[in-house]
Amino acid sequence: GQQLNQSPQSMFIQEGEDVSMNCTSSSIFNTWLWYKQEPGEGPVLLIALYKAGELTSNGRLTAQFGITRKDSFLNISASIPSDVGIYFCAGQAADGGSQGNLIFGKGTKLSVKP
Amino acid sequence: NAGVMQNPRHLVRRRGQEARLRCSPMKGHSHVYWYRQLPEEGLKFMVYLQKENIIDESGMPKERFSAEFPKEGPSILRIQQVVRGDSAAYFCASSPGRGLVGYTFGSGTRLTVV
Repeated sequence: GQQLNQSPQSMFIQEGEDVSMNCTSSSIFNTWLWYKQEPGEGPVLLIALYKAGELTSNGRLTAQFGITRKDSFLNISASIPSDVGIYFCAGQAADGGSQGNLIFGKGTKLSVKP
Repeated sequence: NAGVMQNPRHLVRRRGQEARLRCSPMKGHSHVYWYRQLPEEGLKFMVYLQKENIIDESGMPKERFSAEFPKEGPSILRIQQVVRGDSAAYFCASSPGRGLVGYTFGSGTRLTVV
C-alpha cells in the first residue's frame, strides 16, 4: 500500500533552536496535513495544505506542499519546551481511497532541552 | 461543545473475549473514521462510515473486526475473539461531510489484550 516516509525519526534539540522535518511519498498526494500528538491523546491538526507549492504558517510553525506533490516539510522556529511531542505528516493520495482515508507517516519524536 | 468522545479510554480484555469501542462524533458530524495505532507507529486507516452506511472498509481486517454507525447512538468498533496482536490505540475521527474540513480526532481507546 501507499506509504509516507517521514524523517528524522527523532530529534533532541536545545530550547530556542529551529526544527525541520519532512515527509516524502512515491505517489502524488492531493492534500498534506501536519499533526502533533501528545502522550495519551489523539492527533491535533497543526497545518493543512491543499495546493502544490502552498506555504502556510501557524504561529511559529511553517509548512509547505511540495511542487511535485510528493513531499512536504514542517519547520518550527525558536522551539520551546511545550513543543515536545510526536509530529506526524498525513495526506490523501490522489489515486485511491475514499475522501476520508488519511495515510500517516511514522512520526518525528521531538525532545526539547531547556 | 464536546469534541469527539471515545470510551472507554482504556480497555483490558483476555484473549478470546470481545472488545467494543465506542465513538460519539462531534455535534453536527455525520461521518466517522476509525484508525489503529501500534506503538511507535503512525495511525493506520481502518474504516469510514456515514450514518447507517459503510463507505470504505479497505483497512479493516477481513475477520473478527466489524464497525457500525447506527441512525441513533455512537459508532461501534467491535473486535471478536481478541488476540495479543490487537493490542493498540484505536482512534476515531469525525467530520461534517466528505473531505477533510473539520476532520477531528478523539483521544482514543487503548486496548490491552492479556
